[in-house]
This record gives sequence, structure tokens and C-alpha cells, in this order.
Amino acid sequence: DVKVTQSSRYLVKRTGEKVFLECVQDMDHENMFWYRQDPGLGLRLIYFSYDVKMKEKGDIPEGYSVSREKKERFSLILESASTNQTSMYLCASSLIAGTSYNEQFFGPGTRLTVL
Amino acid sequence: AQKVTQAQTEISVVEKEDVTLDCVYETRDTTYYLFWYKQPPSGELVFLIRRNSFDEQNEISGRYSWNFQKSTSSFNFTITASQVVDSAVYFCALRSGGTYKYIFGTGTRLKVLA
Repeated sequence: DVKVTQSSRYLVKRTGEKVFLECVQDMDHENMFWYRQDPGLGLRLIYFSYDVKMKEKGDIPEGYSVSREKKERFSLILESASTNQTSMYLCASSLIAGTSYNEQFFGPGTRLTVL
Repeated sequence: AQKVTQAQTEISVVEKEDVTLDCVYETRDTTYYLFWYKQPPSGELVFLIRRNSFDEQNEISGRYSWNFQKSTSSFNFTITASQVVDSAVYFCALRSGGTYKYIFGTGTRLKVLA
């Protein structure tokens, strides 16, 4: 079974802090994603990575950056956390686009609160 | 433009009732994939089913069934004889062939009351 793990389930940070959210997948998937989930808005894509050191902006990249130094690990970075970044953050992975079996597999999520 | 609409924000049913969750999608691509995910209170999205645009065959898996109709751009999900454990938020998603981006609906919260 595919397993996607995230470093923390719950996180509380102060405004202005630098925050790292880590995600690791164990199925050798090429694609990895970071979403944030807010009530009534569904899942919104922050960043996507299709290979090591490769990244593309999603729909809401402002205030975030990412790092993918190894295929299995994808990190989301909040350079200076703000209260409007309080949210549930979900990491996902999938096989490369173009394959039939391309559903995403999700981690358990990190609920981040910025005070 | 690509879009997924789940018009039902929240549905409440009594246990053993049947319930259908609606999903309407928009895409101009001829090759695309549709998905349903379940998000229980624990938070992790669980993959339920995928369908590609060339496969309109409906599918049944236990109490779950899916009705894919290209003519109406719909991919609806029915739970038969609902149970309390079915209580969750359900998301429908779309991905066009050759692209990386998955478009999610806003989700339908299903509450099954004992």
C-alpha cells in the first residue's frame, strides 16, 4: 500500500515564524503536491513537483515555497507565517501524468494554527 | 476552463437510507479522469474510485455505486443502505489527460444518523 506521511498532525506557531511541513511517500511516485483545505473552499493547490528539484506553482503559492531534494520527500515552507495561513495542509503523491492509474494518495494532514 | 461542482454542501440521512452525492464537471478535453475521495473525521482523504473518459460503464462495489454520464457531464455516487461509518466529507475530482493538475469540488458533507 502507498503510504504518505506528514511530519506533524497538529502544529501551533507564532506570526512571523518560519514553518516547515514535511511529507514523505514510499511508493516511488514522481508527482507530489501540497494543498490547503479550508471550509467551503475545498482543496486548493499550493505547489506541485514532478521530479527532484522541479516545482510548479499552483493556484495559491503566495507566502509559500517548497523544496524537493529527494524523490520521496516534499517540503512546504512558510517563510513568515501569518494568521491567514491557519489551515489544514494536505500532501499527496501520484504516478506521472499520462498513466491510467493516476489517483492521488494523501497524507493524514497537518492542522496548522498561526497565533 | 475546468471545473467540478458539488452543489450539495451537506446531506443528512437516517441510517439504512440510500443517498446520492452529485458531481458535475466541466472540461473541453476528450481525455480526462474522474475520481471520488472520502475524508472521514480523521482527516485523511481516501481514494474510492477512478474513471477515465472512455469508460462510461457504471460500477458497483458493495454498497457503493457510481453513475458516469458524459451526456450530462456527471459522475454521481450512491451509497445504498447508508451506515453511520459512511459519515464523512466526499470529494469529486477531475484531471485532464496529460496534465498534472487535479481539480477538486468543494465537497459534500454526509451525516448518517443512527
